[in-house]
Amino acid sequence: QLQLQESGPGLVKPSETLSLTCTVSGGSISSNIFFWGWIRQPPGKGLEWIGSIHNTGNTYFNSSLKSRVTISLDTSKNQFSLKMSSMTAEDTAVYYCTTQQWLALFVSWGQGTLVTVSS
Amino acid sequence: EVVLTQSPGTLSLSPGERATLSCRASQSFTRSSLAWYQQKPGQAPRLLIFATTSRAAGIPDRFRGSGSGTDFTLTITSLEPEDFAVYYCQQYGDSQTFGQGTRVEVK
Repeated sequence: QLQLQESGPGLVKPSETLSLTCTVSGGSISSNIFFWGWIRQPPGKGLEWIGSIHNTGNTYFNSSLKSRVTISLDTSKNQFSLKMSSMTAEDTAVYYCTTQQWLALFVSWGQGTLVTVSS
Repeated sequence: EVVLTQSPGTLSLSPGERATLSCRASQSFTRSSLAWYQQKPGQAPRLLIFATTSRAAGIPDRFRGSGSGTDFTLTITSLEPEDFAVYYCQQYGDSQTFGQGTRVEVK
């Protein structure tokens, strides 16, 4: 069974770039079965899809965040990563990495990591 | 962007009662491309229903999805103690967006 674990800083300063990594175990990130995605959830609020990547390297983004987001794969480490630039307080959220079936359904989730944007 | 509006915001019910959650879309999207997720405090969401009516693996049959067009419903036929949680709908027919959630709480 696939397991995902997010890692990265819990605190980011305004205007800086957030970098998060998701380590995948129990399966290969090179698999064609899944897309690998990121979702965030501000405290007490709903879910927002950030973007996803396929093992071909094709990426797909929420249009409202596309200009600030990069998602990449590291097959040698079985990891995928999120970079989000120009962070503001509105980006404070729990960030989840996920597996996504058919670029549609979010099937497996990491436990989430809280990122706070503050000086 | 397809905006999903869930109602009510909070549903206060007792164990054994029937829960009916609504999800309305601002516009039509690819047929049947609607899912439901359950989220408990401090946990990641869990996929319950996909393609409007299909239950994900291991989901009990008291969870039932229905709807078409722009109106969708999640019904929990008889609430168990573990069902009190927040429920989100998601459309994946036109990119992907989530509703704002409905909290099902103990009355």
